[in-house]
Amino acid sequence: AQTVTQSQPEMSVQEAETVTLSCTYDTSENNYYLFWYKQPPSRQMILVIRQEAYKQQNATENRFSVNFQKAAKSFSLKISDSQLGDTAMYFCAPPGGGADGLTFGKGTHLIIQP
Amino acid sequence: GAGVSQSPSNKVTEKGKDVELRCDPISGHTALYWYRQSLGQGLEFLIYFQGNSAPDKSGLPSDRFSAERTGGSVSTLTIQRTQQEDSAVYLCASSLFPGSMYEQYFGPGTRLTVT
Repeated sequence: AQTVTQSQPEMSVQEAETVTLSCTYDTSENNYYLFWYKQPPSRQMILVIRQEAYKQQNATENRFSVNFQKAAKSFSLKISDSQLGDTAMYFCAPPGGGADGLTFGKGTHLIIQP
Repeated sequence: GAGVSQSPSNKVTEKGKDVELRCDPISGHTALYWYRQSLGQGLEFLIYFQGNSAPDKSGLPSDRFSAERTGGSVSTLTIQRTQQEDSAVYLCASSLFPGSMYEQYFGPGTRLTVT
């Protein structure tokens, strides 16, 4: 089974600040995809951003970007100009192998303070 | 278009009773996944379907858990003789095809409470 480590159980920042959530993982695959999902209090899991491992360029989606370091198996999420609506649990999800479900980390509870 | 729907949204049951949780995936999605999210934990993968078949059932926690999918669409997760440790949020997701490169779209989940 793949392993995923999100070392920050909870983080709190002020609105408009930049915050980085860390994620490290273990996989034996060479070509794969990694995902960050957001789960607000409504419980609805929403895809935030996706990174293709064979691409050297880090993925960016508006205020969200990743720092992907393949050799180090590190996949951090940076949120710029944080907003109150960013308050949620954030889960890192590297592949579980094959067509199995994703392997999720334990999550980081991000709180944006007004 | 309609997203993934799950019913019921909340279920309270007595220990020892059987429960059925339903998932209605996005139309046309061939892959369907079930996850369990216990309080304060991440998501635990349970089982996935490709069409109507489940190639790997090893993620199911015990033989009290079973799942089926009919017509390549709706899926039900059944828990027999529920135990208190089964209390969790059960999430369903679907994707166009199986495989980690395809985005999974999640339903709102069913919160199961076993008393």
